[in-house]
Amino acid sequence: GAVVSQHPSWVICKSGTSVKIECRSLDFQATTMFWYRQFPKQSLMLMATSNEGSKATYEQGVEKDKFLINHASLTLSTLTVTSAHPEDSSFYICSARPGLGGREQFFGPGTRLTVL
Amino acid sequence: SQQGEEDPQALSIQEGENATMNCSYKTSINNLQWYRQNSGRGLVHLILIRSNEREKHSGRLRVTLDTSKKSSSLLITASRAADTASYFCATDSLSGGYNKLIFGAGTRLAVHP
Repeated sequence: GAVVSQHPSWVICKSGTSVKIECRSLDFQATTMFWYRQFPKQSLMLMATSNEGSKATYEQGVEKDKFLINHASLTLSTLTVTSAHPEDSSFYICSARPGLGGREQFFGPGTRLTVL
Repeated sequence: SQQGEEDPQALSIQEGENATMNCSYKTSINNLQWYRQNSGRGLVHLILIRSNEREKHSGRLRVTLDTSKKSSSLLITASRAADTASYFCATDSLSGGYNKLIFGAGTRLAVHP
């Protein structure tokens, strides 16, 4: 089956630093990748959609300068949380859709970010 | 953004009982999917039902879809303690030029031995 990995699985950082999270599709090419954020005991909120080689499309209310997304290849998307603050502490989950018009979406295991 | 709501928000039952969770959504969809998430872990895909389907089964799971009411239900029969998790519906629909998966609020299920 299609596998999506995330790295790191957890990270603790100091307030004001930037953190990069990687999302990789291991055995398929992902034209489109998605980033979600999940606060404790809440649902997944879609942050942005990224297509390989183009700028990400951010959902309403998500600061694009705060959450930098790069989808440089068909197997890798990165999310950088810039100048992280404690309120950015959350569970970040990526997902990937293979090919063009693919319906299935495969999820990574998530990255837990804690900002002190 | 969230597509809709799920109810109940929390459900507590005994092993062997059936658990029913409902999901409502707002826009037209391509398909609707159900996921499970154990506390602090990743998502597990359970079942996908297309917009032209009304019912689907997978093992102890039964999903219904009523597009006229924009609602779906997930039934878990003969529940087990291991079914304890959060369950989310997610609608796959075209938005802003992309097919996106938008999640409902989720139901936290607790199955007691």
